[in-house]
Amino acid sequence: AQSVTQLGSHVSVSEGALVLLRCNYSSSVPPYLFWYVQYPNQGLQLLLKYTTGATLVKGINGFEAEFKKSETSFHLTKPSAHMSDAAEYFCAVSRYNQGGKLIFGQGTELSVKP
Amino acid sequence: NAGVTQTPKFRVLKTGQSMTLLCAQDMNHEYMYWYRQDPGMGLRLIHYSVGEGTTAKGEVPDGYNVSRLKKQNFLLGLESAAPSQTSVYFCASSYSGTSLTSYNSPLHFGNGTRLTVT
Repeated sequence: AQSVTQLGSHVSVSEGALVLLRCNYSSSVPPYLFWYVQYPNQGLQLLLKYTTGATLVKGINGFEAEFKKSETSFHLTKPSAHMSDAAEYFCAVSRYNQGGKLIFGQGTELSVKP
Repeated sequence: NAGVTQTPKFRVLKTGQSMTLLCAQDMNHEYMYWYRQDPGMGLRLIHYSVGEGTTAKGEVPDGYNVSRLKKQNFLLGLESAAPSQTSVYFCASSYSGTSLTSYNSPLHFGNGTRLTVT
């Protein structure tokens, strides 16, 4: 069965510091991988996705993620955190034969200190 | 373009009461989903639909029913609410198109319905 594990339910960084949010997945077939962001009192928005091809994926707001098959990881990074990045981030996985259904990780809340 | 609209935004129910959550999308999406979000558990799929007139169970379907009578609407019903159903409910939709794009099309989410069952 597929699963997604996000390491760390809360991550706190200083403004301007590197953001690293960790995501590991388990899947018996090549997965499609996603990162979503949720701002307070809103629904989730797509940050970026990996399907096939280049393993380094760039998303919105300066975020990027690298698919590492050998490590079954899809960590999210941003070189320099901004106060507006404070939100909850969700990693998700789907399989090609599951018609768009996503399995979500438990989420990581990112705090950015001034 | 409103995207995905959920009504109501908030609701308080007493145990045993029933209610229906409405989701409407104006993007002509084939696929629609209902998720619940609970602290520390991420989002869990309740039910989904791959087209008008179709529904299917997700990870946590017990205690819920759904209907997709019109392509643009996806209703989630609670027949007899329980405190364990206190949660934030999100509706989402996605484009289907070819089988490949349906598998990696992004989900478009509504802003959620916060339900409390006392």
